[in-house]
Amino acid sequence: GAVVSQHPSRVICKSGTSVKIECRSLDFQATTMFWYRQFPKQSLMLMATSNEGSKATYEQGVEKDKFLINHASLTLSTLTVTSAHPEDSSFYICSAEMDRTSPLHFGNGTRLTVT
Amino acid sequence: DQQVKQNSPSLSVQEGRISILNCDYTNSMFDYFLWYKKYPAEGPTFLISISSIKDKNEDGRFTVFLNKSAKHLSLHIVPSQPGDSAVYFCAASAGNFNKFYFGSGTKLNVKP
Repeated sequence: GAVVSQHPSRVICKSGTSVKIECRSLDFQATTMFWYRQFPKQSLMLMATSNEGSKATYEQGVEKDKFLINHASLTLSTLTVTSAHPEDSSFYICSAEMDRTSPLHFGNGTRLTVT
Repeated sequence: DQQVKQNSPSLSVQEGRISILNCDYTNSMFDYFLWYKKYPAEGPTFLISISSIKDKNEDGRFTVFLNKSAKHLSLHIVPSQPGDSAVYFCAASAGNFNKFYFGSGTKLNVKP
């Protein structure tokens, strides 16, 4: 089956530093990838839609300069949390679209802790 | 404002019995719904879907019911098995099949 690899699974960083999270589709090409954020006991909140070769589309309330998304190839999208602060600590998860009629395939998520 | 809501954070069911997980939505434009299952430290995996042209979809032990007038869907698992213990998310989209909005999840515990 289709596999989406997300790396790293956990990261701890100091306030003010930037963190990059990678999302790779291992055995299929993903023209579209989605980035979500989840706070404890809350739903997965869609942050942005990432399309290969074009700028990401951000959901309302998500700072695009804070959460930089790059989708440089059909198998890789990256989310960079810039100048991270403790309130950015959260669970980030990506999903990839094989085609418009297939269910999404999710990565295992990244637990970010900003100290 | 959450457009998809799962009001029960947890549910405990005896093995062999029926598990019913509920989900409500507010956006009348939603026309495609999914249920995902999530184990700890793993990403969600697809379970079952339903489009708004149907009111029921069945796949083995899993059945999803959609009540459009009530903006409500439910997932029935019969019979429940201990391996079904996980967090279940419902998700909805409008037109764009893969731009989904998720509920907060319901943690199902199936007791042996």
